[in-house]
Amino acid sequence: DAGVIQSPRHEVTEMGQEVTLRCKPISGHNSLFWYRQTMMRGLELLIYFNNNVPIDDSGMPEDRFSAKMPNASFSTLKIQPSEPRDSAVYFCASSLKVTQYFGPGTRLLVL
Amino acid sequence: TQLLEQSPQFLSIQEGENLTVYCNSSSVFSSLQWYRQEPGEGPVLLVTVVTGGEVKKLKRLTFQFGDARKDSSLHITAAQPGDTGLYLCAGALHSGYALNFGKGTSLLVTP
Repeated sequence: DAGVIQSPRHEVTEMGQEVTLRCKPISGHNSLFWYRQTMMRGLELLIYFNNNVPIDDSGMPEDRFSAKMPNASFSTLKIQPSEPRDSAVYFCASSLKVTQYFGPGTRLLVL
Repeated sequence: TQLLEQSPQFLSIQEGENLTVYCNSSSVFSSLQWYRQEPGEGPVLLVTVVTGGEVKKLKRLTFQFGDARKDSSLHITAAQPGDTGLYLCAGALHSGYALNFGKGTSLLVTP
């Protein structure tokens, strides 16, 4: 079975550019999570959806970040405009109950 | 602020040694999970504990949930190089809520 799929796996962009990260959750899962991982702060929850509805976006750093889940099989995390401090690994995870299944992550570098 | 504090942050041991890592909080969790993350990959669930005082074993790994459901420990017996990785604990404050992750313990086991 396919796990959580994220794209792209790596992204290098310049400050000020728009970045869009994509996630396809495991089929049948009803919750989707976006995390950011850095050495300094560890794994931080940015936002999570339940049945495609955003439940808690208190972890979204600021208005430059937005996330959508137009249907049960797709979600995007957009950063506009991007800044060097946004450089991190961004993970998407999905779940049906408590266990979360993580994707391989997108490694973002903003120059 | 970090709800879950993990210690130690880094641990380097030789093959065959035993070790314990800790996950502590002042909050009560409905469940607590341990994940292991290898470089370039997302975290993978090892175990979920839900009952205070619960002990679960996974081959050479022993997980314990504190009686008050505020803390947990992971003990590895006779560590092997394949145990190398980042061990993350994550707690759910309430059933159905998102997980709060600790910063992790980075373990290196050398032959």
